[in-house]
Amino acid sequence: ENQVEHSPHFLGPQQGDVASMSCTYSVSRFNNLQWYRQNTGMGPKHLLSMYSAGYEKQKGRLNATLLKNGSSLYITAVQPEDSATYFCAVDGDYGGSQGNLIFGKGTKLSVKP
Amino acid sequence: DTAVSQTPKYLVTQMGNDKSIKCEQNLGHDTMYWYKQDSKKFLKIMFSYNNKELIINETVPNRFSPKSPDKAHLNLHINSLELGDSAVYFCASSQALAGGYHEQYFGPGTRLTVT
Repeated sequence: ENQVEHSPHFLGPQQGDVASMSCTYSVSRFNNLQWYRQNTGMGPKHLLSMYSAGYEKQKGRLNATLLKNGSSLYITAVQPEDSATYFCAVDGDYGGSQGNLIFGKGTKLSVKP
Repeated sequence: DTAVSQTPKYLVTQMGNDKSIKCEQNLGHDTMYWYKQDSKKFLKIMFSYNNKELIINETVPNRFSPKSPDKAHLNLHINSLELGDSAVYFCASSQALAGGYHEQYFGPGTRLTVT
């Protein structure tokens, strides 16, 4: 069964700390992995995409690495406005078509001011 | 300008009723999706649709049906609503990029409550 697992489920760093979260996945075929952020009451917003193991991507204070069966996301110098739920989503050819993402349950980040 | 919009934002209805949620995207994307997010924030794909094919998550009851009048719209019809259908429903759209990345743009969601 295609699935994505997050760790940890909740993260509560102090402002200015580094927040570290990860996901692991099990899919029948891998196309790419994407990270999304969801603020309360809103739809998820795409952060970045990665396509092969060993791939690293930096976007502002976000730094992500794609591993063989998972990914790590680091947010440096976290701010209260970074508080949100972060999702890893895998494009695994679900239904025989690219673009159908399998989401995990996310990591909820709550930054203490 | 709103990229992906959904109406209504809130929908409260009784068991057994039939309801629809509308979705429109102005991004010119060729693929649209419907997701269901349950109370534990688990986001699960229900359908993906472009003008060529409909991909259905086999766990979705056939009471749910997507209808696309044109490329910019994908509406969700739900018949005989049940208590377990209560959730937030998100519409999304994407366009195939070089390498097939399919970055998705989500709407604001429709919170459906079935009483």
